[in-house]
Parts: sequence; C-alpha cells; structure tokens
Amino acid sequence: DAGVIQSPRHEVTEMGQEVTLRCKPISGHDYLFWYRQTMMRGLELLIYFNNNVPIDDSGMPEDRFSAKMPNASFSTLKIQPSEPRDSAVYFCASSSSGEAETQYFGPGTRLLVL
Amino acid sequence: EDKVVQSPLSLVVHEGDTVTLNCSYEVTNFRSLLWYKQEKKAPTFLFMLTSSGIEKKSGRLSSILDKKELFSILNITATQTGDSAIYLCAVLKGAQKLVFGQGTRLTINP
Repeated sequence: DAGVIQSPRHEVTEMGQEVTLRCKPISGHDYLFWYRQTMMRGLELLIYFNNNVPIDDSGMPEDRFSAKMPNASFSTLKIQPSEPRDSAVYFCASSSSGEAETQYFGPGTRLLVL
Repeated sequence: EDKVVQSPLSLVVHEGDTVTLNCSYEVTNFRSLLWYKQEKKAPTFLFMLTSSGIEKKSGRLSSILDKKELFSILNITATQTGDSAIYLCAVLKGAQKLVFGQGTRLTINP
C-alpha cells in the first residue's frame, strides 16, 4: 500500500489567496483526520471524518477553514482567505475501525503564507 | 480543557546514555495513551498503552502507563544518533480523537 498521500508537499502563497490541500487515505480506512503542526501549538486535530461524514470539527480555527470528503478516497482542506498565521505543516491521517488507535500519517504539506 | 504535557521539551545527551521522557495528562474519556516518533516528517507510531503497570518494549525502547497518577514515561537505553527525533505523546479520547503534547526534542550527540 502506498500509505496516506498528500499534495502538494510544499505550498507558498500570498496572504488573501485561497489554498487547497489534498489527501488520499489508505484504501479501506474509514476514518480520516486533518492535523496542523506549529512550533507554538504542537500537533492539533482540526477535523475528522468517519465514512466520509464529518464527526468533530471543533478544532477548525475559524470560518476561513473548511474540509470536505466527497468520497472514501479523497479529502480536501481549504483555507480562504489565507493569512500568515496559517503557516504550518498540515498532516492528513487515516485509520480503520478495526484498528482505531493506530492512525497512519501522511507526509504533510508545508504551507507558507507570505 | 484537555491537557497533555510533556517534559522536558528539549534534551541533549551523548550516545550510549539512557533517557526518560515524561508525559502527564488530564483528559476526559481517556481510552489509551500513544507514543510517536517524528523525524523531520510524519509521526510514526511507537506504542499504545491502555492498562496501568504493563510495560511495552520494543528493542531499546520501553514505555509504561500509570492511570492513577495520570502519566506515562518512555525510556530509551543505549541511545544512538538515529534516536534523535521529536517524541510525541498523545491521548486517545472517545472513539478516535487524539490530543497531542508539545513533544520532546531529543538530540543524541556522538
């Protein structure tokens, strides 16, 4: 299995622009998670889905952030408009109901908002 | 508010030393505690601890959980330069939600 796939791996954009991060979970996994990692706040859960349905979005910082999972093999995290404080590494992870405690992380997208 | 606190935040030792990393937590709906290793990329899973007092071991790494005192330790013996990484502690609450600590940045000098 190729593992969790994220794109792009690096993104540099200017303040005010829309940013879309993409994730393909491991085939057969029915949970998908979006995390953000910064030096100040560490690794934080933003939102997670079960069977394509958002379960908990309490970690989404504000209305500028939105996430979708149109099918079992694809999810997006969108930031519109982006701000410099959104600069971080964004990780996607997936897991299966049968192995709920073990989340497999993707390589991350490093976002820099100028 | 859920809290997971790791200490120290940073640690520098010499190759061959033994290190102990600490993780304390205050989390509702505790289910298990997990340790991850992060080396410049995605975190990779090390251990999952659910019961108190039962040590988990993998080579030179070991970990134990104390659910009464709400903490866990991760021990690394005979450290090697390849052990240099950020070690993350996370608590699984409810069905799937992980709450992470800040991490301990471990540097092993040759």
